[in-house]
Amino acid sequence: GQQVMQIPQYQHVQEGEDFTTYCNSSTTLSNIQWYKQRPGGHPVFLIQLVKSGEVKKQKRLTFQFGEAKKNSSLHITATQTTDVGTYFCAGGNNAGNMLTFGGGTRLMVKP
Amino acid sequence: DAMVIQNPRYQVTQFGKPVTLSCSQTLNHNVMYWYQQKSSQAPKLLFHYYDKDFNNEADTPDNFQSRRPNTSFCFLDIRSPGLGDAAMYLCATSARWNIQYFGAGTRLSVL
Repeated sequence: GQQVMQIPQYQHVQEGEDFTTYCNSSTTLSNIQWYKQRPGGHPVFLIQLVKSGEVKKQKRLTFQFGEAKKNSSLHITATQTTDVGTYFCAGGNNAGNMLTFGGGTRLMVKP
Repeated sequence: DAMVIQNPRYQVTQFGKPVTLSCSQTLNHNVMYWYQQKSSQAPKLLFHYYDKDFNNEADTPDNFQSRRPNTSFCFLDIRSPGLGDAAMYLCATSARWNIQYFGAGTRLSVL
């Protein structure tokens, strides 16, 4: 079955440093979604990418979808303490079925 | 306003004592999901309903059952909770296989 891997599992950064998490799928994806889960909270949808090579920005967050639609990345510029949480990617397969979640990257930001 | 509501937020049960968790939604989404999330792990899909069609994940124990009496409500029944079933249980909804909206979760403790 489809597998979605995320690296790194954990990342500590100093406030103001950049952060990137990577997502790789074993199969071609129809779309990729990103979710953020704050400590003690629930996953909250951030963005969806559908097109090959697509890049989307949300303020300090930049999301990319690979040309082959098998990988994706989330980059945060100049992290803030409010960015703390676990970031999950979730891939949809071409059969149009449900999402497969990656293992998540837990971001910790030191003030 | 919360669109996916889970009750209760915290549930304590005894080993082997059946427990039911509930989820309701105001989004009129046709897909509802139940996830189990343990500490520092990604949400693990237990099962989902596409309209009235129930779909069980292959590795979901028989101890876990679900009911969806109507579009708005979905229940998770744990017939004989074990210590290993202590976790956060997340309900999510989506319109077809699109973006998932999560409830705040029910944290289950088993004594």
